[in-house]
Parts: sequence; structure tokens; C-alpha cells
Amino acid sequence: RKEVEQDPGPFNVPEGATVAFNCTYSNSASQSFFWYRQDCRKEPKLLMSVYSSGNEDGRFTAQLNRASQYISLLIRDSKLSDSATYLCVVNELNAGNMLTFGGGTRLMVKP
Amino acid sequence: DAMVIQNPRYQVTQFGKPVTLSCSQTLNHNVMYWYQQKSSQAPKLLFHYYDKDFNNEADTPDNFQSRRPNTSFCFLDIRSPGLGDAAMYLCATSREGTLEKLFFGSGTQLSVL
Repeated sequence: RKEVEQDPGPFNVPEGATVAFNCTYSNSASQSFFWYRQDCRKEPKLLMSVYSSGNEDGRFTAQLNRASQYISLLIRDSKLSDSATYLCVVNELNAGNMLTFGGGTRLMVKP
Repeated sequence: DAMVIQNPRYQVTQFGKPVTLSCSQTLNHNVMYWYQQKSSQAPKLLFHYYDKDFNNEADTPDNFQSRRPNTSFCFLDIRSPGLGDAAMYLCATSREGTLEKLFFGSGTQLSVL
């Protein structure tokens, strides 16, 4: 079983739609959680850190569910420019406490 | 304002010909990482430095080596590139430990002919 798992998608949604991604992680002791966005052939860029209390940044909301060991990303009012791959990143104690990437979820927002 | 700089952006090498990728940072971060990312896959950690301490991932092939001569610079050396080494190589930094977010360079896309 992968340590950090995401649905690869693609998620095809119309502009203005609300879309949500989940990411599951295997180690209950994980402490750091992030969402990164990656455009094709570009480097990952931090979208937001995920805090226990949940956090919101404009149209983006991230939540952490420790009991079920998943984090989520909600995007409201999708824009064409939101089309990208969204990477979930978790620190994995079994991997020397390194940050481990999920495989990414691809989002395509259509006009 | 680039904070993590990778050169070159694109690198073409021949099968078996040694190649070096470079990374520099202006953030004065203690930790520098090298990731390999193949198409449609997650970035895979090759190794990292905490200050001068080198940490190799168990499954990183011996073909991949790294040097960090000072805080600002880190190099990835591929001694004998194979076709399977064609990938995007991403350098990243973090201020201290692994609980902190990563700052990525723009990557070097390596092609092996």
C-alpha cells in the first residue's frame, strides 16, 4: 500500500464548479501536510499548508481528518487557470521523516 | 527574485556520458534536496543534505552522486546516464527540518540520447 495516495483523475469540471480532492496517508504519526500545485513541465509550487483546524485561502479550503487519515482540498468557483496537477505532501516517519509526495490528482477545468 | 536556481533548464546528454546538474539558493536554508520526477509520476527523493551531512535514500542508484561545497550550492552528478534516467530533476530547499515546506527550483529536464 502506498504511503500517500491520491486519485490520479483527471477530474474534468466546468468553469465555476466546486471540486474536491482527497489524499490518504498511512502513518498516523504524520505531522506535516501540504498541498502543492504543479503545472505541466514546471516545478511544484506550494498552494497551502494544512492545519488541524482547517484553513482557507480565497477559493481554496484545506482540511485534515486525523481519525480517518486523510486531507482534502476544496476548490470553489473553478477557473480555467486552476487546471493543473495537485500534489498532496505528508511527512512520513517510516521514510526517515522525509516529505513524501502523493502521485497527484489532475484537474482540468473546461470553459 | 528567484530563490532556488537550477541550471540548465534543459540538458541533453548521451548514453553513458557523465552529466552534472547544478542548484543554488539565496535563502540560506540548511537543507537541500534532489528529487527525480518522471512523466505523470510523483517526485521521488534521491538524497538530501542537512548542512554538510549527506543522506542517501536506500533505493537511489549508485549512479547518482551529489556534492554540496557550501550552503548555497548543490550538484547532482549522474556518472553514466541510462535511457531510464531521462526525467525532470528538481532541487528543493527547506529552512530546517522535514516539517517545513519545500521551496523548489524550476527543475532541469534531462534527455538521454
